[in-house]
Amino acid sequence: KNEVEQSPQNLTAQEGEFITINCSYSVGISALHWLQQHPGGGIVSLFMLSSGKKKHGRLIATINIQEKHSSLHITASHPRDSAVYICAVSPNSGGSNYKLTFGKGTLLTVNP
Amino acid sequence: KAGVTQTPRYLIKTRGQQVTLSCSPISGHRSVSWYQQTPGQGLQFLFEYFSETQRNKGNFPGRFSGRQFSNSRSEMNVSTLELGDSALYLCASSFMGETQYFGPGTRLLVL
Repeated sequence: KNEVEQSPQNLTAQEGEFITINCSYSVGISALHWLQQHPGGGIVSLFMLSSGKKKHGRLIATINIQEKHSSLHITASHPRDSAVYICAVSPNSGGSNYKLTFGKGTLLTVNP
Repeated sequence: KAGVTQTPRYLIKTRGQQVTLSCSPISGHRSVSWYQQTPGQGLQFLFEYFSETQRNKGNFPGRFSGRQFSNSRSEMNVSTLELGDSALYLCASSFMGETQYFGPGTRLLVL
């Protein structure tokens, strides 16, 4: 079993829809990261969080440490949000926020 | 500020050769991390450097090595290349434990 599981693997939405991507992990962590990867490979770090909730524009990330679960929400989705969204965790034993274990990613396609 | 830069962007090598990839972090960032991305294994952590010291290492064989210079620029080296080393190699820099900024990656093809 992978230490980081994401669902769904693929998600297709219509422009304007509210989107949720889920991430579950099985180890104690110091931080959880949400990353966005567009075709061609470029990765953008969206959020790094260790508790509660963070918001940036139309994106919201939440984490429940007790349940070892995080969600990434996109409100009013747009075709430019189409990308792979990757959840990654920094295990407590890692000694760094950047020794990451990654999920396999969620491919999001937003149709106009 | 200029973003994270990686050179070269594309590279073709043959089995048994060695390769050196370079990463220049954002000015002022002292932490540089390296990741490998393949279709089969996805993203995997290679190593992290901070102030010229390797702070963490992932589960890769000793053929994979790296270093960081006093100006925070980092290099990674892969010796005795294997077909399975074909991948996108990404570096990322950060300031004092905050958000990472990723470079565009170096795409390595081993023939």
